[in-house]
Amino acid sequence: EIVMTQSPATLSVSPGERATLSCRASQSVSSSLAWYQQKPGQAPRLLIYSASTRATGIPARFSGSGSGTEFTLTISSLQSEDFAIYYCQQYNHWPPDFTFGGGTKVEIK
Amino acid sequence: QVTLRESGPALVKPTQTLTLTCTFSGFSLTTDGMCVSWIRQTPGKALEWLARIDWDDGKYYSTSLKTRLTISKDTYKKQVVLTLTNMDPVDTATYFCVLGIRRHRYFDYWGQGSLVTVSS
Repeated sequence: EIVMTQSPATLSVSPGERATLSCRASQSVSSSLAWYQQKPGQAPRLLIYSASTRATGIPARFSGSGSGTEFTLTISSLQSEDFAIYYCQQYNHWPPDFTFGGGTKVEIK
Repeated sequence: QVTLRESGPALVKPTQTLTLTCTFSGFSLTTDGMCVSWIRQTPGKALEWLARIDWDDGKYYSTSLKTRLTISKDTYKKQVVLTLTNMDPVDTATYFCVLGIRRHRYFDYWGQGSLVTVSS
């Protein structure tokens, strides 16, 4: 099974600042990586797929990069609505399983 | 507009079988490329993919849970049903019904989720 590890677990950032979130795969997943945002009480929402392609309606301040085993989600200038938990998901090694990272919580500093 | 809504019991006892229904609108599960998955989220917020059923009736299951899971669809009723046998307190989670379009292996649309607690 591919293990996805996200860091840090919690990131404290001031509004307007840049946030950089990391996701590491236990083996190469090529560019088959997605990012999701989850706000309290809501379902996750697709942000990025294919490591760097923004989903429909996602603001340009969200960007993804990386390939192989190392990936980054960058939020260029944090807005109040961006404070949430972010998850990565690999889909290169499916079947048998899709796997998610444990999440990074972005909180207000 | 795509919507997915999960329904089922909020509380089940250990050893019982959980049956969850996803009722959807805004798409047809007979359309090439449409894939509905179930994903659960534990109280600690970890996400775990469980199963997927495709437009062509292909079915896929989590390696760790495949002996306990069954997924099926009723395209006329626009429903997908998931059963999970032999429930245990560790199965306590919010269960999401999720749509991937165009054979995507990521998840484009999510339902709001259904919280299931396993307790005697």
